[in-house]
Amino acid sequence: KAGVTQTPRYLIKTRGQQVTLSCSPISGHRSVSWYQQTPGQGLQFLFEYFSETQRNKGNFPGRFSGRQFSNSRSEMNVSTLELGDSALYLCASSLAGPENNSPLHFGNGTRLTVT
Amino acid sequence: DQQVKQNSPSLSVQEGRISILNCDYTNSMFDYFLWYKKYPAEGPTFLISISSIKDKNEDGRFTVFLNKSAKHLSLHIVPSQPGDSAVYFCAASAREYGNKLVFGAGTILRVKS
Repeated sequence: KAGVTQTPRYLIKTRGQQVTLSCSPISGHRSVSWYQQTPGQGLQFLFEYFSETQRNKGNFPGRFSGRQFSNSRSEMNVSTLELGDSALYLCASSLAGPENNSPLHFGNGTRLTVT
Repeated sequence: DQQVKQNSPSLSVQEGRISILNCDYTNSMFDYFLWYKKYPAEGPTFLISISSIKDKNEDGRFTVFLNKSAKHLSLHIVPSQPGDSAVYFCAASAREYGNKLVFGAGTILRVKS
């Protein structure tokens, strides 16, 4: 069974630009979450989608947005990039919705560098 | 406000011995706890989890213990192997918060051969 797939693996952008990251969850998983990992802040929750609906959102500015498609694939978008947005962006999928405890399975991430 | 804390940044253990990684939490709403292992340039890999209705869960060489009164959990790895060398993250969630995981800062485990 294929794992969580994230594309691209690496991305270099300039301040002020926007970026779109893509995530394909494990087949059959309907919940997709996004996390940001930085050396200073660790792993921080961005948002979670379940059946195309955003169910939960972390404490990030509105420049960070996402969506989920009917096939459970998800994208996240960051607009007006800032240097501080440089990070590893991780996508994770889960079999169940929030009403059942089910572990998140992570992809290998997209390393975004903003110059 | 760090709701999940891993107070040991690193741990070094001899191959074959037990590795014990610790984690403390402050939010009593947390009812599901997980451990992840992470290698450089890869995403976290799920290891083991425990629900708040249990105090122990075992899977092969990995055992997680939960002490709700102390708001403390630990991961035991027996026997430790060099391939276990990685960063270990503790994470917690609450049903009320959906699938949102709150992570600790991680502990670097080095298993010496």
